[in-house]
Amino acid sequence: AQKITQTQPGMFVQEKEAVTLDCTYDTSDQSYGLFWYKQPSSGEMIFLIYQGSYDEQNAAEGRYSLNFQKARKSANLVISASQLGDSAMYFCAMRGLGHTPLVFGKGTRLSVIA
Amino acid sequence: KAGVTQTPRYLIKTRGQQVTLSCSPISGHRSVSWYQQTPGQGLQFLFEYFSETQRNKGNFPGRFSGRQFSNSRSEMNVSTLELGDSALYLCASTPIPSTENTGELFFGEGSRLTVL
Repeated sequence: AQKITQTQPGMFVQEKEAVTLDCTYDTSDQSYGLFWYKQPSSGEMIFLIYQGSYDEQNAAEGRYSLNFQKARKSANLVISASQLGDSAMYFCAMRGLGHTPLVFGKGTRLSVIA
Repeated sequence: KAGVTQTPRYLIKTRGQQVTLSCSPISGHRSVSWYQQTPGQGLQFLFEYFSETQRNKGNFPGRFSGRQFSNSRSEMNVSTLELGDSALYLCASTPIPSTENTGELFFGEGSRLTVL
């Protein structure tokens, strides 16, 4: 079974600063995928970035990058140059092989301060 | 391209009633998954449907059921509602079953159910 741990219930960051949201995972699968989603107050889950367990390089999408450390089983999300619109809940999730659904962490609420 | 559409967006029911929620996936997507989101338990997987067949089911009581139609639209039903069923119910779609690819799930905005 997969498990995701997000230890930061809430975080504050100054506008234009970078912020790192922590995520650790546990799985016995050799092949798996790691995802980050953003959930604004509207409720919709917005996909941000994906990292495969066999990917050599850390994933990057615009201002989002994933700091993947496989040996430590961590997949931290880095948001550069924070914007007010980045204020939302952020969820780390993973999926293993076979008929396993996407498993989510409890989330981190990010607040960007002007 | 239209996104995942969930209806109704908000609804209020009383204990003992039943409720049906609807999800229309992105055009061309054949897999639909349902999740329950509560402050205490977070996001929990309910079930997944592909080509009108349930592919996977989470650890929920039999009061929670779902189905998928030939046009890939999906419904979930909760019977004999309890206070603890108050939650945001999220639907997500993918072109093929979510466990067979590494692509992301595309989520709707959810149906917020309040049970009084």
